[in-house]
Amino acid sequence: AQSVTQLGSHVSVSEGALVLLRCNYSSSVPPYLFWYVQYPNQGLQLLLKYTSAATLVKGINGFEAEFKKSETSFHLTKPSAHMSDAAEYFCAVRPYNTDKLIFGTGTRLQVFP
Amino acid sequence: DAGVTQSPTHLIKTRGQQVTLRCSPKSGHDTVSWYQQALGQGPQFIFQYYEEEERQRGNFPDRFSGHQFPNYSSELNVNALLLGDSALYLCASSQLYFGTGELFFGEGSRLTVL
Repeated sequence: AQSVTQLGSHVSVSEGALVLLRCNYSSSVPPYLFWYVQYPNQGLQLLLKYTSAATLVKGINGFEAEFKKSETSFHLTKPSAHMSDAAEYFCAVRPYNTDKLIFGTGTRLQVFP
Repeated sequence: DAGVTQSPTHLIKTRGQQVTLRCSPKSGHDTVSWYQQALGQGPQFIFQYYEEEERQRGNFPDRFSGHQFPNYSSELNVNALLLGDSALYLCASSQLYFGTGELFFGEGSRLTVL
């Protein structure tokens, strides 16, 4: 069964510092990959998605992620953290030939002034 | 353009009761999926509805059932509630064949079972 692993349930950075949130997937066939953000008491908002086009994917709010097949990774980065980036981030995979998403357990990002 | 709307936003039930949650998809979307998000966990897929039929189902017992109406809105029903059913229930809508594969999520219905 396919799965997603997010390393680090909590990540803390200073405002202006690099944000790196890690995601590894297990799949024999390159899947569709997604990053979602969840603010407190809200639903999920799509940050970006990989659908087998360019391996470097740019999303909203300055986030981007790089698909690395050899490492089965899809890490999320942002060059400079902002206080408003504090939220829960979820990596998800959509296995080939299905419509459901399999989510990781999430990473809570804290941003300190 | 209204996004995905869910109701109610919060509700409290006791063990053994039944609950119905409702979802209206984003305009132009024909597919509705339901996810359960327990506290501190990622969302887990319950099932998906398209053309009023359950199209796919996750690893949830038969106590979880759903329905999709001709206007594409959907209901999630949970019978014989257990304490472990306490969670945020998220509805997501999409276009099955002509969309981008992106799911649009509502803000969820938070169910507390006492």
